[in-house]
Amino acid sequence: GAVVSQHPSRVICKSGTSVKIECRSLDFQATTMFWYRQFPKQSLMLMATSNEGSKATYEQGVEKDKFLINHASLTLSTLTVTSAHPEDSSFYICSARDRSGQLHTEAFFGQGTRLTVV
Amino acid sequence: GEDVEQSLFLSVREGDSSVINCTYTDSSSTYLYWYKQEPGAGLQLLTYIFSNMDMKQDQRLTVLLNKKDKHLSLRIADTQTGDSAIYFCAGRTGANSKLTFGKGITLSVRP
Repeated sequence: GAVVSQHPSRVICKSGTSVKIECRSLDFQATTMFWYRQFPKQSLMLMATSNEGSKATYEQGVEKDKFLINHASLTLSTLTVTSAHPEDSSFYICSARDRSGQLHTEAFFGQGTRLTVV
Repeated sequence: GEDVEQSLFLSVREGDSSVINCTYTDSSSTYLYWYKQEPGAGLQLLTYIFSNMDMKQDQRLTVLLNKKDKHLSLRIADTQTGDSAIYFCAGRTGANSKLTFGKGITLSVRP
């Protein structure tokens, strides 16, 4: 199946600093990538949809200036958590959609990033 | 939009079958998925089913879809300890619509 790689897998940062998380599609070109947040023992919450070459579409309640998304190429999207605070600590997961339109490739996820803000 | 619901916890004995259930609200749901999440890991796609199918089997996994009741189930035959994880169902209504996830169910397999 399609491979989506996410880095780093785990990061600890100090309050007030920014953290960048990368999501790469390794064996296909992704016009669209999705960023999710998962709280402990809860389901995934879609944060934003990242479109290559254009601005991301954010879900209601997600701060655009807080969670910066860049999708500069067909294989890479980045999520930057700016001025991180302890309440931003969470598990962040990305997924990617194949530009060829193979529907189920959207369903492949990265391995997730555990962010801890201290 | 889509809304999916799952119960929270299931415990089974190794070697038995496990059945995980999911209900959804949007009758126009076209694509339905089952994912497995191990501790600290991302989601692994197990299988998917289209709404024009009633059943799909893939090795130990059997997916049943009851469109009338908007009910989706995943049966795992000969459950192993390595199957212990959280299982999520997810659905969407069209090619460009968002995936909506159920709350997830924790499967615990005891020896």
